[in-house]
Amino acid sequence: QKEVEQNSGPLSVPEGAIASLNCTYSDRGSQSFFWYRQYSGKSPELIMSIYSNGDKEDGRFTAQLNKASQYVSLLIRDSQPSDSATYLCAVPLAAGNKLTFGGGTRVLVKP
Amino acid sequence: NAGVMQNPRHLVRRRGQEARLRCSPMKGHSHVYWYRQLPEEGLKFMVYLQKENIIDESGMPKERFSAEFPKEGPSILRIQQVVRGDSAAYFCASSPLSRSSNQPQHFGDGTRLSIL
Repeated sequence: QKEVEQNSGPLSVPEGAIASLNCTYSDRGSQSFFWYRQYSGKSPELIMSIYSNGDKEDGRFTAQLNKASQYVSLLIRDSQPSDSATYLCAVPLAAGNKLTFGGGTRVLVKP
Repeated sequence: NAGVMQNPRHLVRRRGQEARLRCSPMKGHSHVYWYRQLPEEGLKFMVYLQKENIIDESGMPKERFSAEFPKEGPSILRIQQVVRGDSAAYFCASSPLSRSSNQPQHFGDGTRLSIL
């Protein structure tokens, strides 16, 4: 089992729809969870962080965390073509600050 | 620009040469991390540094790779005797003064290293 796992996609969604991305992690002790967006050839950009069970909303993005199930998700509402990118789930595993990244989910928003 | 600054953006080296990659953290940040992204692969942690200290180098290859973050100046990732397999994007990230894993890391634009 990978330490941080995501579906690689591509996840194809029509413009205006909701894109739903999932991430599972192996370390039950993890406390922090981050979503990054990476456009092709660019660097990762932090879009969401979540630390407590439940939902956290920021604009069109909602992160959902379920520590019991070791599962974190990202919803993108009203998807736009500019949301087409790879979305990376990142978790500091075990003790320490280093981030372990999932393989990323590629999202394609079609006009 | 208060963001994480990396240079050069692109670096071309021939096999056997040395590559030096530089990173200046965001203003107010004292923790620096280096990650590598091989073509068509995910981001992998390499090393975590504070000023004059290597905190975690568990992701660094055992040979040819070294990193430092001196008291003055940027953090340096040094690759000696480069090989074709070193071709990758190298990203630096920084976080504020805290040992807590709760602090998000912010990434620089990266250095694209190409080995001829």
